[in-house]
Parts: sequence; structure tokens; C-alpha cells
Amino acid sequence: NAGVTQTPKFQVLKTGQSMTLQCAQDMNHEYMSWYRQDPGMGLRLIHYSVGAGITDQGEVPNGYNVSRSTTEDFPLRLLSAAPSQTSVYFCASISVGGEAFFGQGTRLTVV
Amino acid sequence: RKEVEQDPGPFNVPEGATVAFNCTYSNSASQSFFWYRQDCRKEPKLLMSVYSSGNEDGRFTAQLNRASQYISLLIRDSKLSDSATYLCVASMDSSYKLIFGSGTRLLVRP
Repeated sequence: NAGVTQTPKFQVLKTGQSMTLQCAQDMNHEYMSWYRQDPGMGLRLIHYSVGAGITDQGEVPNGYNVSRSTTEDFPLRLLSAAPSQTSVYFCASISVGGEAFFGQGTRLTVV
Repeated sequence: RKEVEQDPGPFNVPEGATVAFNCTYSNSASQSFFWYRQDCRKEPKLLMSVYSSGNEDGRFTAQLNRASQYISLLIRDSKLSDSATYLCVASMDSSYKLIFGSGTRLLVRP
């Protein structure tokens, strides 16, 4: 069972570059989210989606875009990378019961 | 003020000890609550849901106090393998917008 597949696992970007973090789930969940995790800050919600075509902002949305064209995929786009976006990013797919299944994470460094 | 707050710890306890973590939430409309476990450099994984009447899963007991807006996690007979960070989570059911606390780190020593 694949569950949640998140790529890449590691990425180094230069300031100003853009990139897309990919997230795919095969559990047919309507709800998906993106989080970033920084030391001492826990997981902070960037964007979330309650179904295909529907997205909304979380706690820290600035500098990120998302789209949800299919139930399976929920990519996160960094428009113009900044050092403040250095973090570990997690994609989550959430069941109707509220259980979140996470991808393995992406360790992003912006230099 | 963060919506979900936890004591960061670390809690350093010997094997066999009982340890308890508390977590407070600020949004009284929160409906669902969970405890997640996160090992170093790994993704979080669900430990247990928290029900209004309290619930137990082996050595782990979770309780919810809606009046005071806090939830707790009790771990009995701690094992070395319990060493991890424990994340408290609250959500609004309508959106499953899960809000995580910063986590409480537990270290169980031999």
C-alpha cells in the first residue's frame, strides 16, 4: 500500500527559484493538507483542501500556492523561494474519521 | 497565542515510570482531538484519538476536559521505545483542518 507519496525527499534551492513539491494519495480521501515543521514550532498548516477543486489557506500560506485538480494529487508550489522557507514539509491525507496519514517529508534548504 | 499549546519538555523518565502530558486548546468549537507520535526525522503517526468519555489503548490513556479545554495523555510502564515527541492535535470536523501543538519530547532512560 503506497498511502501518501511525497517527492522529493531532499531539495536545495537558490533564493528566488521556484519549485513544486508533489503529493499523491491512493486512499480516496477528500481532505488533504500541507504542513511545514520548524524546530520548536511544531507543524504549521500552510494550505488545505476539502476536495477536488477546493482549497483554502492555513496558518502560514504566504509564498505558497496549491491546486487540487484531482482527488489524488495536491501539489505545493513555492513561487520564489526565500531562506525563511527552509523547513521540513509534510503532506497529509486525512480520513473521514480525522486520522492523518503523512508523506515521508521533504527537507528543503533555501540558500 | 497558539491554538494548541503543549509543554515542550523534555520529560526524562526511567523505564517503568508513569508520565503524563497535558495540552490546552483555545478554540472552544474544536470537535475532534488526537495524539500523534513523531520519531526523530520521521513523519507523525496517529497514536490515538481522544474521546469525550476518555479512552485507553494498552498502556496509553487519553482524556478530554471540554470545560477546561485541555486533553491529556498518560503513559504507564514506560518503555525505551516510547522515546519520541508526542503531538497534540485539535480539529474542526467540518474541514478536518488539523491544528498541531508544538509537541512534547519524551526520553525514557534505562
